[in-house]
Amino acid sequence: DTAVSQTPKYLVTQMGNDKSIKCEQNLGHDTMYWYKQDSKKFLKIMFSYNNKELIINETVPNRFSPKSPDKAHLNLHINSLELGDSAVYFCASSPAGTGSHNEQFFGPGTRLTVL
Amino acid sequence: AQSVAQPEDQVNVAEGNPLTVKCTYSVSGNPYLFWYVQYPNRGLQFLLKYITGDNLVKGSYGFEAEFNKSQTSFHLKKPSALVSDSALYFCAVRDRGSARQLTFGSGTQLTVLP
Repeated sequence: DTAVSQTPKYLVTQMGNDKSIKCEQNLGHDTMYWYKQDSKKFLKIMFSYNNKELIINETVPNRFSPKSPDKAHLNLHINSLELGDSAVYFCASSPAGTGSHNEQFFGPGTRLTVL
Repeated sequence: AQSVAQPEDQVNVAEGNPLTVKCTYSVSGNPYLFWYVQYPNRGLQFLLKYITGDNLVKGSYGFEAEFNKSQTSFHLKKPSALVSDSALYFCAVRDRGSARQLTFGSGTQLTVLP
């Protein structure tokens, strides 16, 4: 019973390509997130969605576009991939809005390598 | 503004000994504080959190953390370390009065030596 799942687990692609990462949660949570973890393990939030609406968009290049077709899904599309986009991308969800004290549940991560 | 610092990149401890992973924070108001653990090639897992009330918070796998407002700290502790506790530990903070997102520390790699 996977709570937060991501596909694919690994993604290797060439510079300039466009790729998508999918995320699904079966916890019934209202809020979903995308995080980027760099090679030094530093974790930074990219986006936050609450009930399919964008709440937080941190300083992320507009090549990154999140899409939430419904409350259980939050996909990340990346255009014109660059070397610096290589990282591990984590999806997460939590049961209430962005200001809550509820913990977040993380997916297993997608390791993106741009060649 | 909110921030969190984990002053140690690496902590080594012998199995059976007590362990401490340090965390200090800075917020404008009162904090929500969290600890997460990341095992190799896995996502983060929630360990424990401080919301309000008792300063000593108990969490999963025998871990606990003490909220110290005067020292703005939330150190993670365990009385007796296991080799299986070896992982990357993240402290995180959110200002209670703000709609800001969770801010994570830089992580501390804990290695428990057999």
